[in-house]
Amino acid sequence: DTAVSQTPKYLVTQMGNDKSIKCEQNLGHDTMYWYKQDSKKFLKIMFSYNNKELIINETVPNRFSPKSPDKAHLNLHINSLELGDSAVYFCASSRQGGNFNEQFFGPGTRLTVL
Amino acid sequence: GENVEQHPSTLSVQEGDSAVIKCTYSDSASNYFPWYKQELGKRPQLIIDIRSNVGEKKDQRIAVTLNKTAKHFSLHITETQPEDSAVYFCAASTGYSTLTFGKGTMLLVSP
Repeated sequence: DTAVSQTPKYLVTQMGNDKSIKCEQNLGHDTMYWYKQDSKKFLKIMFSYNNKELIINETVPNRFSPKSPDKAHLNLHINSLELGDSAVYFCASSRQGGNFNEQFFGPGTRLTVL
Repeated sequence: GENVEQHPSTLSVQEGDSAVIKCTYSDSASNYFPWYKQELGKRPQLIIDIRSNVGEKKDQRIAVTLNKTAKHFSLHITETQPEDSAVYFCAASTGYSTLTFGKGTMLLVSP
């Protein structure tokens, strides 16, 4: 009964490749997010989706494209991977309706670009 | 946009001591301040939060204080235990479900 799940857990790939990370939540939340956590542990929001619509798109290279097929899923596709993309990517979700809502994080996907 | 500064970046204490982590924020419109704990190799998880209409909140050994005038808030952990060792993140929210995180504090509790 995992609340927020991500696949894969680990992803090792070569520079220039295209890869996807999948995220699913079974909490009935309306809002989902992608965060990037670099080697210094800094958590930086990349995207936020509400009811399948993009509401936040921080300064992220357009090689990163989120896709939300439905409210329970938010996938992240990355084109032309670069060394600097190596990080842990966390998906999260929260209830709609204001800014007092706890965000529930997935287990993370450790991406290593060689 | 919102900017959250967090100090210290690392904190080492002996078991049983208290630990204090401090954060400042820039946007006076922020009204929600959660704290997340991230154990090594794990996901961040909410441990306590405070809203702007409250000055202090306590939950067993952890407490959070908020000073809206000075735009700073702090996490206090008393009687620290080795299992408190983790990275702690403060965050602030000004709008619709958007959190701006501080850069994290690595807390190490030595037995």
